[in-house]
Amino acid sequence: QQQVRQSPQSLTVWEGETAILNCSYEDSTFNYFPWYQQFPGEGPALLISIRSVSDKKEDGRFTIFFNKREKKLSLHITDSQPGDSATYFCAASVTSGSWQLIFGSGTQLTVMP
Amino acid sequence: GALVYQYPRRTICKSGTSMRMECQAVGFQATSVAWYRQSPQKTFELIALSTVNSAIKYEQNFTQEKFPISHPNLSFSSMTVLNAYLEDRGLYLCGASDWGEEQYFGPGTRLTVL
Repeated sequence: QQQVRQSPQSLTVWEGETAILNCSYEDSTFNYFPWYQQFPGEGPALLISIRSVSDKKEDGRFTIFFNKREKKLSLHITDSQPGDSATYFCAASVTSGSWQLIFGSGTQLTVMP
Repeated sequence: GALVYQYPRRTICKSGTSMRMECQAVGFQATSVAWYRQSPQKTFELIALSTVNSAIKYEQNFTQEKFPISHPNLSFSSMTVLNAYLEDRGLYLCGASDWGEEQYFGPGTRLTVL
């Protein structure tokens, strides 16, 4: 049973467009949601994160929208650049002294120049 | 900034042999270290979670007898894959965090088993 789901599996946008990546989760106790960006041959890099007390988090061109009632969140990448082409993972966790992240299956984003 | 290094980046071992991989955190205290395996399809499997001053917690399908982990201080952890076989291949990732803060990942150790 997948606790964190992502869609679409792959997404292609043109340079300058806004890419929207979706994520949903099952466990209502999850309260921390980081997004990671992974390029081929590298480890995942923390991109932006949000806690469940907020409904929006913005960092430059990256914005997370969070809907706690529906257990959904989305990552919006505005003014997409070819360098944004990567796989994006949504993860979830219950914040505590120890740290266990549940990852989604990822969205492979391609930004066409 | 917070950085995580992993060694080696790539390794090849013969079936039935063992290999050790290391993880080093720089710029923050790695009070928790999680070891994951990422498949070629990019899915993540949590192997175990190690928190300083607590017992290492292994996930289902992973055991200490197969994947012994050491977490001796707040900057270093190592994991060994014992008796590696084809199904053990993948990218092994170390994710480190400081008491519930963001988890930072290293570049991974890619294990190939011949």
